[in-house]
Amino acid sequence: DTAVSQTPKYLVTQMGNDKSIKCEQNLGHDTMYWYKQDSKKFLKIMFSYNNKELIINETVPNRFSPKSPDKAHLNLHINSLELGDSAVYFCASSQFLENTEAFFGQGTRLTVV
Amino acid sequence: GQQVMQIPQYQHVQEGEDFTTYCNSSTTLSNIQWYKQRPGGHPVFLIQLVKSGEVKKQKRLTFQFGEAKKNSSLHITATQTTDVGTYFCAGKGRGSTLGRLYFGRGTQLTVWP
Repeated sequence: DTAVSQTPKYLVTQMGNDKSIKCEQNLGHDTMYWYKQDSKKFLKIMFSYNNKELIINETVPNRFSPKSPDKAHLNLHINSLELGDSAVYFCASSQFLENTEAFFGQGTRLTVV
Repeated sequence: GQQVMQIPQYQHVQEGEDFTTYCNSSTTLSNIQWYKQRPGGHPVFLIQLVKSGEVKKQKRLTFQFGEAKKNSSLHITATQTTDVGTYFCAGKGRGSTLGRLYFGRGTQLTVWP
């Protein structure tokens, strides 16, 4: 069983489109995250949710909107996609907010053309 | 703001040689975590260091946390081709917003057979 699963694995779409990435964790963790990894492998946190409550919202364009319907799911919706949004997006979870390891999903490679 | 610097960005070694990557924070960290990402894969947790001056070993990997809790290192003895990947440190600052891990830019390790 995959601990943190995200879909789709690959996403190719045109500029201006709206797309969603889904994430689910079956670890019973309280905290979930979205990270963006650029072409130079830099991992930057975008959002963090704890028990469905938004805890961290880094300086991310408001075209990106996370949604957590329950503590096992954290989805990411992106409006009006731009070329610069092309990256690998990782979902992750950790047992608690404090001092616990993060478990990452397989990643979604988003390509905007 | 919180920053975690990591050097070198790239390292190419012959199989059997040693490898070290270094992390440095602008502020004191409450803990530091290390992750490994294989090419095309996702970050996988290796270890967490919490105490000042802490040293932990995992087979050929040695992790250190500085006395001032501002720097850390990962040393691999006698590298093998299976060590190929990007190694990230991630620090959590004291007093910073809960759940935010500041990732270094990673060190991409290539091991020549």
